[in-house]
Amino acid sequence: NAGVTQTPKFQVLKTGQSMTLQCAQDMNHEYMSWYRQDPGMGLRLIHYSVGAGITDQGEVPNGYNVSRSTTEDFPLRLLSAAPSQTSVYFCASSYGNSGNYGYTFGSGTRLTVV
Amino acid sequence: EDQVTQSPEALRLQEGESSSLNCSYTVSGLRGLFWYRQDPGKGPEFLFTLYSAGEEKEKERLKATLTKKESFLHITAPKPEDSATYLCAVQVDPFNKFYFGSGTKLNVKP
Repeated sequence: NAGVTQTPKFQVLKTGQSMTLQCAQDMNHEYMSWYRQDPGMGLRLIHYSVGAGITDQGEVPNGYNVSRSTTEDFPLRLLSAAPSQTSVYFCASSYGNSGNYGYTFGSGTRLTVV
Repeated sequence: EDQVTQSPEALRLQEGESSSLNCSYTVSGLRGLFWYRQDPGKGPEFLFTLYSAGEEKEKERLKATLTKKESFLHITAPKPEDSATYLCAVQVDPFNKFYFGSGTKLNVKP
């Protein structure tokens, strides 16, 4: 099992550029989420999905879009990159409401916006 | 406002020196409290879920406990390989939402 796969691992963008961070899981998990991790602030939820075709906003959704056309994939789109979006982004998935197994996280994408 | 605070921010221990990490929370509608371990350059790795005050869970040298206002992660006789950042998170109603603390960076010296 590959678990949760995120690509790319590193990315540098110029202000105003757009890009998509990819996330795929092979565990048939219903729940998928995107978090950003900034120093001293912990992980903050950007968007999440409870199943294919269903998404909702988290704590810090501005500047990001998501869609979920399949159970396996949950891409995160940055519409017009800003320096404030410099962060490490993690995708996570889980069964149902995560219960006794918590989330399975990907290894992250380190994004720098210059 | 829902809030999760972890202390200390950083902790240095000698190998074998037991200690505890704290996670205090002020949330309404707690559904569960989670502990994760995060190694540098990697995503968090799930350790425990606690659901109700008085609950305890153990895994090797780690034991997590929960009260109505806080959780402790006790580390007994730690080894250098226990060095990592430990994160706690609370799951609140509506149950899709998690709030993470900023973590405790543990360094265990041989």
